[in-house]
Amino acid sequence: EVRLVESGGGLVQPGGSLRLSCAASGFTFSTYLMHWVRQAPGKGLVWVSRIKSDGSSTNYADSVKGRFTISRDIAKNTLYLQMSSLRADDTAVYYCAREGHFSGEGFDIWGQGTMVTVSS
Amino acid sequence: SYDLTQPPSVSVSPGQTASISCSGDKLEDRYVCWYQQKPGQSPVVVIYQDSKRPSGIPERFSGSNSGNTATLTISGTQAMDEADYYCQAWDSSTVVFGGGTKLTVL
Repeated sequence: EVRLVESGGGLVQPGGSLRLSCAASGFTFSTYLMHWVRQAPGKGLVWVSRIKSDGSSTNYADSVKGRFTISRDIAKNTLYLQMSSLRADDTAVYYCAREGHFSGEGFDIWGQGTMVTVSS
Repeated sequence: SYDLTQPPSVSVSPGQTASISCSGDKLEDRYVCWYQQKPGQSPVVVIYQDSKRPSGIPERFSGSNSGNTATLTISGTQAMDEADYYCQAWDSSTVVFGGGTKLTVL
């Protein structure tokens, strides 16, 4: 079964750090572009970051640039999001998602999400 | 940055056709995908590459993209289709989502 399972969410104080993980299974993780997408409570989907299949290139939304770092461990079939200098408006459910191989295929597999709450 | 605009809400009667629009500058030059999200669940892609349906998505879901507007059409809408719908496109190496449309079936 093709699956993505996020973990690492929780309550963190403003200015703090957190690392999210996304464990992939059921497919060849090393061949797929991977993304993080977040959703604040009651709000819409917002793209956060992406990483190429071999990890050679990364991109970020302006709102997280310089604070978040996306990475992947091919040997562990795991995607990461290191978050620092967290703010209240980073509070959201964070999803990892797989992008299909071909142009325009979109995000064909999503994890169940992990909740991050930034509050004192 | 590139923006996608969706109506906040659309209402439809059961069995009727629902249309949800997604507007962006020269959107026809980009591929558009559509996602369905039900409360408490992760999004699911229902349309990719403007008009293609993934396996397992009912035929009543269709998509188009022309000019500045992409449209998700649900024919013979069922109660189970009530959900939030998001359009998505690419902006160079980044990704953009529309603000989402709440589809109410009443």
